[in-house]
Amino acid sequence: GDQVEQSPSALSLHEGTGSALRCNFTTTMRAVQWFQQNSRGSLINLFYLASGTKENGRLKSTFNSKESYSTLHIRDAQLEDSGTYFCAAHQGGSAKLIFGEGTKLTVSS
Amino acid sequence: NSKVIQTPRYLVKGQGQKAKMRCIPEKGHPVVFWYQQNKNNEFKFLINFQNQEVLQQIDMTEKRFSAECPSNSPCSLEIQSSEAGDSALYLCASSPQGVQNTLYFGAGTRLSVL
Repeated sequence: GDQVEQSPSALSLHEGTGSALRCNFTTTMRAVQWFQQNSRGSLINLFYLASGTKENGRLKSTFNSKESYSTLHIRDAQLEDSGTYFCAAHQGGSAKLIFGEGTKLTVSS
Repeated sequence: NSKVIQTPRYLVKGQGQKAKMRCIPEKGHPVVFWYQQNKNNEFKFLINFQNQEVLQQIDMTEKRFSAECPSNSPCSLEIQSSEAGDSALYLCASSPQGVQNTLYFGAGTRLSVL
């Protein structure tokens, strides 16, 4: 949506390389979630952050609410990392998530 | 990862027909959300519940959809009269107590309206 601007829209990586995805927010967000959507449509939880940085294996995510952005870093990309990645943010006191447009990641050998 | 169960996986309906899908949230999660994801990957929030009570819903949901989350039964979302533009992936999510908490999504129901 307009409140969550996600980039890039598409990304191609070779196995073993890495890159970063970014979401910029046009309004103050209280928390952010990152998801991977696989080919069957399932949304897999990657991170929930209210602030700071979290790391899980080859993934690392940061949320800076003051500067209104969040990033997802992928290192040592593997074929199974292919899919569409979404950030989604909680605005103010609202329970619902506002989604970004997604980044389609293709990892090739 | 997620224990939210959605059925059916696929649903095919003709225009004007009712289309009903169900969701069993994760055990212990009182908050349930429904989202619609279209072919352009755009997510539209439809409605959310806390226990059996509606918290928020959009105008379209109020007018054309029927949704409920009865106690001890699956939640459901039903389109009263399907339209071609309703073809989409319908995603149910549940969340632990608290308005800003992690959402866990089911695998979705893919609706095709012919």
